[in-house]
Amino acid sequence: DVKVTQSSRYLVKRTGEKVFLECVQDMDHENMFWYRQDPGLGLRLIYFSYDVKMKEKGDIPEGYSVSREKKERFSLILESASTNQTSMYLCASSPMGGWTDQNTEAFFGQGTRLTVV
Amino acid sequence: AQSVTQPDIHITVSEGASLELRCNYSYGATPYLFWYVQSPGQGLQLLLKYFSGDTLVQGIKGFEAEFKRSQSSFNLRKPSVHWSDAAEYFCAAYFGNEKLTFGTGTRLTIIP
Repeated sequence: DVKVTQSSRYLVKRTGEKVFLECVQDMDHENMFWYRQDPGLGLRLIYFSYDVKMKEKGDIPEGYSVSREKKERFSLILESASTNQTSMYLCASSPMGGWTDQNTEAFFGQGTRLTVV
Repeated sequence: AQSVTQPDIHITVSEGASLELRCNYSYGATPYLFWYVQSPGQGLQLLLKYFSGDTLVQGIKGFEAEFKRSQSSFNLRKPSVHWSDAAEYFCAAYFGNEKLTFGTGTRLTIIP
């Protein structure tokens, strides 16, 4: 019954490395999101996409980029990882209008805990 | 500014006791409101949501939430908690800007 899959649960990367976090959904959802979760700060939106090859900046896009070449896959890219990007990253997907439709909901992946050393 | 506030960082309750988790929002109108739960090592799961209508909303796992416009609040309640309810709880709101805004979360600990 897996709906949103993040490719890694745990990652350890070195400062300066290029890091790819992958997310795949099997529900044919239009919208996909990347959130960052930090203690005391809750979830903060990094980027979202409402269609293939479309992307919008969220609240904290600095240091990140995204790619959506296929509808089911949304990648988060850290061009040059830094220690302040050590965090839990959560991917989510929803149908079009998912936050505003009473009959639908968004689904979250299990998260990727990234440590940059 | 639009925001969601969860004033309690950590709450401890005894198993079988009642629970109330607080959530307030700041917005010029009524947003769509959500409660999510995150169990250890898991992603977020939707407990319930409020769009309009009846201000008392029933959700999964025996949870309910009450919307109070006068207090800009959407508090989550459960009459009797179980050890499996230990988790982190997030209140969230949709303010019409294509994204969900989350509170900082409340960690719930259950003692036997």
